[in-house]
Amino acid sequence: DADVTQTPRNRITKTGKRIMLECSQTKGHDRMYWYRQDPGLGLRLIYYSFDVKDINKGEISDGYSVSRQAQAKFSLSLESAIPNQTALYFCATSASTTLNIQYFGAGTRLSVL
Amino acid sequence: DAKTTQPNSMESNEEEPVHLPCNHSTISGTDYIHWYRQLPSQGPEYVIHGLTSNVNNRMASLAIAEDRKSSTLILHRATLRDAAVYYCIPSKANSKLTFGKGITLSVRP
Repeated sequence: DADVTQTPRNRITKTGKRIMLECSQTKGHDRMYWYRQDPGLGLRLIYYSFDVKDINKGEISDGYSVSRQAQAKFSLSLESAIPNQTALYFCATSASTTLNIQYFGAGTRLSVL
Repeated sequence: DAKTTQPNSMESNEEEPVHLPCNHSTISGTDYIHWYRQLPSQGPEYVIHGLTSNVNNRMASLAIAEDRKSSTLILHRATLRDAAVYYCIPSKANSKLTFGKGITLSVRP
């Protein structure tokens, strides 16, 4: 089983719909992250959480919200999806160490029609 | 965050060494240099990191310039499985990572 699991792996939705992407991890890490990746571009950070009570905006948080339900779970919500949120979304985790090495899930491919 | 410059792409032959360069001239003295790679249809994975000295692990070697303004990721014998996008990421301790576009490595059989 994967250490960082993202569900669903693929999702097609319509403009205006609310959608939630889920991430769970079995690595026991305190830190969790959500990124999006657009074709030909690197990953951009949406939100990150350094522990259960800590939530921080990344560089592109507008239109997104997150919930850290437990150490192992970090969800990303699109309250009202729009077509330019069509992208590949990755969740990652890291231990609370100096190096902050991140471990990524397999990604969720989201299409907003 | 320090800005990085990497070529857009590079080609290599299978079983030959590959040197992937990265310029990070604005790096601060306390930034670590991380390398991640992203295989097709997968999330990124950690490759190696260094601070000042050259580093080796089972995946690759990292050569860091004496002035730390550039680094080179070395794959000693490229395999087809090494075809990926490689990201060079300077980062402060305990800080989030900023991914650029990376360099796309193609490996010819």
